[in-house]
Amino acid sequence: GDSVTQMEGPVTLSEEAFLTINCTYTATGYPSLFWYVQYPGEGLQLLLKATKADDKGSNKGFEATYRKETTSFHLEKGSVQVSDSAVYFCAGGYKLTFGKGTLLTVNP
Amino acid sequence: DTGVSQDPRHKITKRGQNVTFRCDPISEHNRLYWYRQTLGQGPEFLTYFQNEAQLEKSRLLSDRFSAERPKGSFSTLEIQRTEQGDSAMYLCASSLVQGYNEQFFGPGTRLTVL
Repeated sequence: GDSVTQMEGPVTLSEEAFLTINCTYTATGYPSLFWYVQYPGEGLQLLLKATKADDKGSNKGFEATYRKETTSFHLEKGSVQVSDSAVYFCAGGYKLTFGKGTLLTVNP
Repeated sequence: DTGVSQDPRHKITKRGQNVTFRCDPISEHNRLYWYRQTLGQGPEFLTYFQNEAQLEKSRLLSDRFSAERPKGSFSTLEIQRTEQGDSAMYLCASSLVQGYNEQFFGPGTRLTVL
């Protein structure tokens, strides 16, 4: 079946630092891929998506490119803010397969 | 608010009791999914419906679990004879059949089995 290997945290950064969270997705074919975010005390929110290989998703300064050759979908942001502190999940497929999540803490 | 809603938000029960959770999807969404999330893990797929038809069930879904979606609107997830291992957050999501399977999640029901 499908599987997601996501960089384990926790990740602690200073404000304005560069963020990368690695994700590799293994599946038959090339399903849509997603990044979800869970802020403290809140539910899962869709952050961005890529619907086919070589697609790039972006939202709120976050970006991720669906690399067909490596089946990777790494999440990046050039300058993180304290408000980005949350748990980030990589997921894909029609019945979503999720990674274990990466806790990001951004300090002022 | 037209998002996915779930009720109750928290449920505490004793081992052996039955519990039922409700999910109301976004009104125009014809697919509805149930997931379970334990502490420190990502959500795991349990089952999904397209309209009123239950199309797939995970092997995680034991015989004590049953889900329904009468009339293709809200859905219920029932757990019979609860066990301590059932303690988790139960998440509901919905999506359109058309498009790229963007699933929108509800706030979840946190179940604690004592």
